[in-house]
Amino acid sequence: QSVLTQPPSVSAAPGQKVTISCSGSSSNIGSMSVSWYQQLPGTAPKLLIYDNNKRPSEIPDRFSGSKSRTSASLVITGLQPGDEADYYCGTWDSTLSAHVFGAGTQVTVL
Amino acid sequence: QVTLRESAPALVKPTETLTLTCAFSGFSLNTTKMCVSWIRQPPGKALEWLARIDWDDDKYYSPSLRTRLTISKNTSKNQVVLTMTNMDPLDTATYFCARMPNMIRGYMDVWGKGTTVTVSS
Repeated sequence: QSVLTQPPSVSAAPGQKVTISCSGSSSNIGSMSVSWYQQLPGTAPKLLIYDNNKRPSEIPDRFSGSKSRTSASLVITGLQPGDEADYYCGTWDSTLSAHVFGAGTQVTVL
Repeated sequence: QVTLRESAPALVKPTETLTLTCAFSGFSLNTTKMCVSWIRQPPGKALEWLARIDWDDDKYYSPSLRTRLTISKNTSKNQVVLTMTNMDPLDTATYFCARMPNMIRGYMDVWGKGTTVTVSS
């Protein structure tokens, strides 16, 4: 059972938008920065979003992040076949004194 | 260029101790707020954070694995080592190390490719 709750899967047609939610509590998302990772099949995770809504320079602006109270969201617009991957949210939990990840969301491009 | 590379035996027996090594380049663990984490992923399952070591040698462990894990660093060799005792087939996974450039902001910006460890007799 993950501390952070994500939907198991989301899907949309090419060019459409998907939103992935990540729900936590006051001891993690509510008080800490959230990051998002993309894991393409058979590869290591890659940082997509950090500090809730910042993108590394190489990440296209089709990917955006936000946070409100104890939940965070990742939005992918202009969906492309190459976006098919697993997406994970992560943050620090101050009660556990541990980093926590969501269980991951599989994005399917129809 | 920041790189990290994990190494470990591909096969370990149940009850044995696993030693994982993360060799990195392009940054220093002497840099204020810098840290390195270990994360694992069983086949077909989610990421699981294991441990973190900070620039000032503070160490943090997964609560569920705390009694089995020890993390250490060798700053002169640019290595972070994680040992896991009493290995079990459920510990079969790909193990990753990742750089965390700011322990307060808590994100992992560069990951190694991972090393796969199978636990079997």
